[in-house]
Amino acid sequence: GQQLNQSPQSMFIQEGEDVSMNCTSSSIFNTWLWYKQEPGEGPVLLIALYKAGELTSNGRLTAQFGITRKDSFLNISASIPSDVGIYFCAGQLNNDMRFGAGTRLTVKP
Amino acid sequence: DAGVIQSPRHEVTEMGQEVTLRCKPISGHNSLFWYRQTMMRGLELLIYFNNNVPIDDSGMPEDRFSAKMPNASFSTLKIQPSEPRDSAVYFCASSLVPRSPKGYTFGSGTRLTVV
Repeated sequence: GQQLNQSPQSMFIQEGEDVSMNCTSSSIFNTWLWYKQEPGEGPVLLIALYKAGELTSNGRLTAQFGITRKDSFLNISASIPSDVGIYFCAGQLNNDMRFGAGTRLTVKP
Repeated sequence: DAGVIQSPRHEVTEMGQEVTLRCKPISGHNSLFWYRQTMMRGLELLIYFNNNVPIDDSGMPEDRFSAKMPNASFSTLKIQPSEPRDSAVYFCASSLVPRSPKGYTFGSGTRLTVV
């Protein structure tokens, strides 16, 4: 089952707006990852974070590894319709990777 | 690279029937994972293999589920007998090593419906 708390569960935004979602855990992780899943497909890796405090960007996406190693956030700037999908956080420690429940993003043109 | 290949994409079967899901990992990847995704429980790890050896099968729900990896390029997940509550999307994923810093590469999944 899930050990990560991901919020919000869903978001309905207007094209052009910025988006922010986050994940928290009671456990520490060595790696935080953010995936995107589109309908009918498997999750695809967007960003990987390896050190506490690390801030990484991938185009309009920015993610940070929390200082406490127990949280991470993902921001999407200037959203576009193709950003729709489910975004998952994942925390990894040793050989164990745990996924959040996902944030379902809907972007209205 | 063709990515992780799963078959079939969709499977509809009657309760009690045997179901076999197939996965071909990315060539050179040494770790393979089977996940189940449902609305209620999200993504759940069922089992993972490293170098074709099952390492952790604690997520396999019950004895009706079994998984094999006879070689580095092929794995199966079998459900026998299937039940309606097994309906879900089953994903296979692979990575270079279990703790790959690049995360896992997922297949497109098999949507299983048991009626």
